[in-house]
Amino acid sequence: DQQVKQNSPSLSVQEGRISILNCDYTNSMFDYFLWYKKYPAEGPTFLISISSIKDKNEDGRFTVFLNKSAKHLSLHIVPSQPGDSAVYFCAASARNAGNNRKLIWGLGTSLAVNP
Amino acid sequence: NAGVTQTPKFRVLKTGQSMTLLCAQDMNHEYMYWYRQDPGMGLRLIHYSVGEGTTAKGEVPDGYNVSRLKKQNFLLGLESAAPSQTSVYFCASSPRSGLAGAYEQYFGPGTRLTVT
Repeated sequence: DQQVKQNSPSLSVQEGRISILNCDYTNSMFDYFLWYKKYPAEGPTFLISISSIKDKNEDGRFTVFLNKSAKHLSLHIVPSQPGDSAVYFCAASARNAGNNRKLIWGLGTSLAVNP
Repeated sequence: NAGVTQTPKFRVLKTGQSMTLLCAQDMNHEYMYWYRQDPGMGLRLIHYSVGEGTTAKGEVPDGYNVSRLKKQNFLLGLESAAPSQTSVYFCASSPRSGLAGAYEQYFGPGTRLTVT
């Protein structure tokens, strides 16, 4: 049972336009959400995060929006650049017993930004 | 700083052989993790460690063992490799959790393992 879902396996966007990547979750105990970016043959790298007490977090060209009632978050990239072409993973975290945190990952969305 | 490094980068094993994957981090992180990534499956947690000398099972621990004898190193062992363990293995580390911003995990470049 996939607790974190990225329903679009791929997305293609023109350079300079907005890229919107979506993520849905089912576990209402998740209280922290992260986006990671992954290039081929490399490990994922942290991009941006948001706590469940917020509904928006912005970092340069990247903004994450959280809609708790819909259990939905999205990553906006504006403007998109060819170097943004990568696989984007959504991950969620809930505090479990012992105050340890583990990340639950979506399957990823492959973004292609065309020049 | 090197961050998180993994050794080896590639390996081919025959069924039944054993091997150890080494992960090292120089960020003084408390937590370390081993994941596997398979097509269509995302990242799945194999084992993790919340500190030197401690380990715990993740989602898919069967067929793997781990050890964290030193804070900076986290070893993943396959005692008897099976074709189902063909995958890309990622190690990650993170600071102790508790405050917002402390949940980011830093990943190594991965080890591509093929079991024939």
